[in-house]
Amino acid sequence: AQSVTQLGSHVSVSEGALVLLRCNYSSSVPPYLFWYVQYPNQGLQLLLKYTSAATLVKGINGFEAEFKKSETSFHLTKPSAHMSDAAEYFCAVSGNTGFQKLVFGTGTRLLVSP
Amino acid sequence: DTAVSQTPKYLVTQMGNDKSIKCEQNLGHDTMYWYKQDSKKFLKIMFSYNNKELIINETVPNRFSPKSPDKAHLNLHINSLELGDSAVYFCASSQDLKTQYFGPGTRLLVL
Repeated sequence: AQSVTQLGSHVSVSEGALVLLRCNYSSSVPPYLFWYVQYPNQGLQLLLKYTSAATLVKGINGFEAEFKKSETSFHLTKPSAHMSDAAEYFCAVSGNTGFQKLVFGTGTRLLVSP
Repeated sequence: DTAVSQTPKYLVTQMGNDKSIKCEQNLGHDTMYWYKQDSKKFLKIMFSYNNKELIINETVPNRFSPKSPDKAHLNLHINSLELGDSAVYFCASSQDLKTQYFGPGTRLLVL
């Protein structure tokens, strides 16, 4: 079974500041890990994914995440926040074989102030 | 062209009614999914189909019945709608069973 914990339902940063959104996972099998972004009243867009290749994964819009097995973490970072980054961010986990379902965290709302 | 599309985008209906939500993907993917996002933004899988066959069926009331007429379409029919069914329903598709592509969502409000 898999689960995801996202620490902090809301994260506030200033424009230009570092963005750090935390995600810890639990999985009984080697995991695949994902970050999705949801803008208001829209669907989910894939930011990046870890599927057992490089542990440092780069995604769209300047985001990246590092898979750390020893810490069971997959935190999302961006060096400099833009106003357009304000959205809901979801971390998700699945198993790495066969038909798997995505198990989502509860989401983190990123607020960016000028 | 929209990769994963859903209709309708908004659906307002009365308790007890029956309604359907349609999903179509033009990505040529074999696997499709339905997710429910509740008022607290929590996302949970409901069903998954692969080549028109049901492969994931979470603990969902049997008032919810998915139907896949072909591998590009996965529809969701809901009987006897209840207040608690109010949510956003997302369709998704995948080819490699790793990355899922989501539709824009259908916002269902049951009055």
